[in-house]
Amino acid sequence: AQSVTQPDIHITVSEGASLELRCNYSYGATPYLFWYVQSPGQGLQLLLKYFSGDTLVQGIKGFEAEFKRSQSSFNLRKPSVHWSDAAEYFCAVQGGSYIPTFGRGTSLIVHP
Amino acid sequence: SQTIHQWPATLVQPVGSPLSLECTVEGTSNPNLYWYRQAAGRGLQLLFYSVGIGQISSEVPQNLSASRPQDRQFILSSKKLLLSDSGFYLCAWGTGGSEGYTFGSGTRLTVV
Repeated sequence: AQSVTQPDIHITVSEGASLELRCNYSYGATPYLFWYVQSPGQGLQLLLKYFSGDTLVQGIKGFEAEFKRSQSSFNLRKPSVHWSDAAEYFCAVQGGSYIPTFGRGTSLIVHP
Repeated sequence: SQTIHQWPATLVQPVGSPLSLECTVEGTSNPNLYWYRQAAGRGLQLLFYSVGIGQISSEVPQNLSASRPQDRQFILSSKKLLLSDSGFYLCAWGTGGSEGYTFGSGTRLTVV
C-alpha cells in the first residue's frame, strides 16, 4: 500500500523568503512522486515529478524538490517566494498501480 | 497537445435532484480517467477511475455513479443528490506512468 503525509496544514512565509514544504511517503520501492499546486477554485497543476535519476528535480515557477530515499521524503523548495505563490500544495505518490494517492495539502500564505 | 474540459464550473442543485457532470479529454487516446471530490481542508478523495470504455472502478460506496460511454468522455451522475454531496469535483486524466496527471478546472457543487 502507498501513503503520503504532508505534516504542515498551513505555512506562512514573507515575500522573498525561502520556502520548504514537507512530504513523506510510504511505499516498498521507489514510487513516482509529484507535487501539484492549486489556486482557489481551480484544478491542480503539476509542478514537478520524480521517478528515477537525479534526486534533485526542477519544476515550473522556480520550484524544486529533492528525493531522499533514506528519509522517504520529497520536500518542495523555492529560494524566494512571490505573493503569487500563495496557494494549496499537494504531494502525491504512485506505486505499482495507476492510482495516485494525494496528501491532504499544505496551504501557503505569503505575507507582503 | 492534450486538453481536458470539465463542466459546468458551478452548480446549485436541490436535494433529491439528479446530477450529471461531464469531462472530456482531447489530444490523446485511451487515457485513464478519474473523478475526485475535494472537501475543504480534506484533500482529494478518489471517487471513480476508468482504464477503458465501460470499465469503471468505484473507490468509495456512495450516492454517485460514473460512466464512460466514449474513450475520452467521463460522466459523474447521481439519481438523487444529498446535502453531503456538496463539494468541489475534479476530473483528471493520465497514462498511469511517470508523466503525472492533468486536472480539469473543477465543478463547485452546492446541494441546497
